[in-house]
This record gives sequence, C-alpha cells and structure tokens, in this order.
Amino acid sequence: EVQLVESGGGLVQPGGSLRLSCSASGFTFSSYAMHWVRQAPGKGLEYVSAISSNGGSTYYADSVKGRFTISRDNSKNTLYLQMSSLRAEDTAVYYCVKDLGSSARFDYWGQGTLVTVSS
Amino acid sequence: DIQMTQSPSSLSASVGDRVTITCRASQSISSYLNWYQQKPGKAPKLLIYAASSLQSGVPSRFSGSGSGTDFTLTISSLQPEDFATYYCQQSYSTPVTFGPGTKVDIK
Repeated sequence: EVQLVESGGGLVQPGGSLRLSCSASGFTFSSYAMHWVRQAPGKGLEYVSAISSNGGSTYYADSVKGRFTISRDNSKNTLYLQMSSLRAEDTAVYYCVKDLGSSARFDYWGQGTLVTVSS
Repeated sequence: DIQMTQSPSSLSASVGDRVTITCRASQSISSYLNWYQQKPGKAPKLLIYAASSLQSGVPSRFSGSGSGTDFTLTISSLQPEDFATYYCQQSYSTPVTFGPGTKVDIK
C-alpha cells in the first residue's frame, strides 16, 4: 500500500524558515517524480514544486522560486521542502504527491501538513 | 501559464442524478487533463487521467471526455459519497495548473 506521510508543519513567523519532510513507502520511491502541492485555507490547489526521480531536475512555481528548495533522499525514501523567507501568503496545507510516472499526473497524495505563517 | 476554468462553480444535486462538470483550458492541451475529487479535510484523489482513463479503484459511474480545450467529468448516478469538490488539472505544460473547483452538494 502506498503511503506518504508529511511532517514538519507548524506556526512560523514571517521571514522564518521551515523544512517539510515526506516519508514514502509501498512503492519504489527512486523510480518516480515527486511534487509538492499546497492549498490555502478555503481555497483551491496550487502547484508548488517538483523533482525528478533521481533529483537531477527540479521545478518551482514563480510564487516560491528563490525561497523554497525541493530535494529528496532516495536511500531514505524521503522528500523534502525547505522553505525560507516565509510570508503570510504561504499559509496552507502542503501535500506531498506522487507522480503516476513522470507525467505530472498525481496518483497518491499525503494527508497534508499545515504551515501557518503569522506573527 | 495555461489557465483552467470550471463550470459551474457549485451545483446542488440529488442522489441518483446525472452530473456533468465542465473544464476549459486557455489553449489546447490535447488529452493532458486529469480530474480529482476532494472531500472536506481530506487530500485530493485522482479519478480520471488523460481525459478519459479511469484510475484504478474508481467506480465506473465516473467518466471523462474531451480533448483540446474542452473537457467534461460525468457522474452517471450520484451517490452519497460523491458529494465533494472536483478539480481539473492540466499536465500538458509546466507549470501544471488546476481549475478553481466545482463543489457538488446535496439538494
């Protein structure tokens, strides 16, 4: 059974940093691209970042470029999102998402972790 | 970026109704269109990928159609567990983008 378990969310002040982790199991993690998608309270889905299966290629939405860094450790089956210079508008539930292949079709989602940026 | 729109933004329906949701892309995306269902407090769930392919484990009352810029998600006979918000998403080009969602609630 595929499982994606996010951790690391919480309350952080504007300008602060946070690192999200996503522990994956039930599939060959190193074979799939992975993504982060976020959802602000009461709002729709926003694509944040992606990383290829071997970590050699990454993508960032303009809204987070230069502030967020996606990475993965295939030996630990773990995906990361390092977030810095956080803003109030980064407040959201962050989902770790598995790609169906390398096609940006999202077949499994974690339960999400809430990041709240507030003073 | 490719903009995705959905209509209606919300609808009220009864159990057993046939429900159709429309998604439109701002430019042609071939068949690179996916549909997700999200229930309150839960993560989205993939229903349909590549416009018309049913994801494993998804009931056959869900179907998708379309290509180019216009797509539809149809629920042939609405069940109580289908009351949720539905999102379309294009995977044709980066950045992938989602529609704003269609909330289906009980009439």
